[in-house]
Amino acid sequence: DAKTTQPTSMDCAEGRAANLPCNHSTISGNEYVYWYRQIHSQGPQYIIHGLKNNETNEMASLIITEDRKSSTLILPHATLRDTAVYYCIVRVGTSGSRLTFGEGTQLTVNP
Amino acid sequence: NAGVTQTPKFRILKIGQSMTLQCTQDMNHNYMYWYRQDPGMGLKLIYYSVGAGITDKGEVPNGYNVSRSTTEDFPLRLELAAPSQTSVYFCASSHGQSVLGNQPQHFGDGTRLSIL
Repeated sequence: DAKTTQPTSMDCAEGRAANLPCNHSTISGNEYVYWYRQIHSQGPQYIIHGLKNNETNEMASLIITEDRKSSTLILPHATLRDTAVYYCIVRVGTSGSRLTFGEGTQLTVNP
Repeated sequence: NAGVTQTPKFRILKIGQSMTLQCTQDMNHNYMYWYRQDPGMGLKLIYYSVGAGITDKGEVPNGYNVSRSTTEDFPLRLELAAPSQTSVYFCASSHGQSVLGNQPQHFGDGTRLSIL
């Protein structure tokens, strides 16, 4: 699986959009970009994933660059409950393939 | 629909003791996983299973054993507990049979284990 690089920490004001970047310059053609988050003391929570098109669901939007070497997770209106560690993971989209977690980005949403 | 359920939530063991961490899911998922997470670190895969009767090693399998006799259950066994196994353990599951092949993993709330 391709390696990902994320900032260690970010801050965001409540109600504003949180934009979390991820670099995955060695991504290959059959690898998907996944985002999970982990709120303190809880199990990781799936947010969104994509291959090459931008994706949106009820939680977030995922913007993948045309060359697929980087992506951005967007939380459109961050709340205090969005404070968590966010993990960007790249893996082959075959059933059952393992997730490789890095150290993620600690997002702190401030009132 | 409870999702992925792990028991116990907390446990303290003495060095050399053994125990089994339980994990069950009610989503009829084929794939199940065990991860450990040390303080301030990301998750590391211990073992995984692609279906009943089939298990395979992950990144850090030493000191652990697993079994998968049913689709629902995937227990993790520590035979001789060591201080290095103090960690938070997460079980996860995913739907394996998908033409899209990119099903997300669903996690339990973890078991916090201390070995003293």
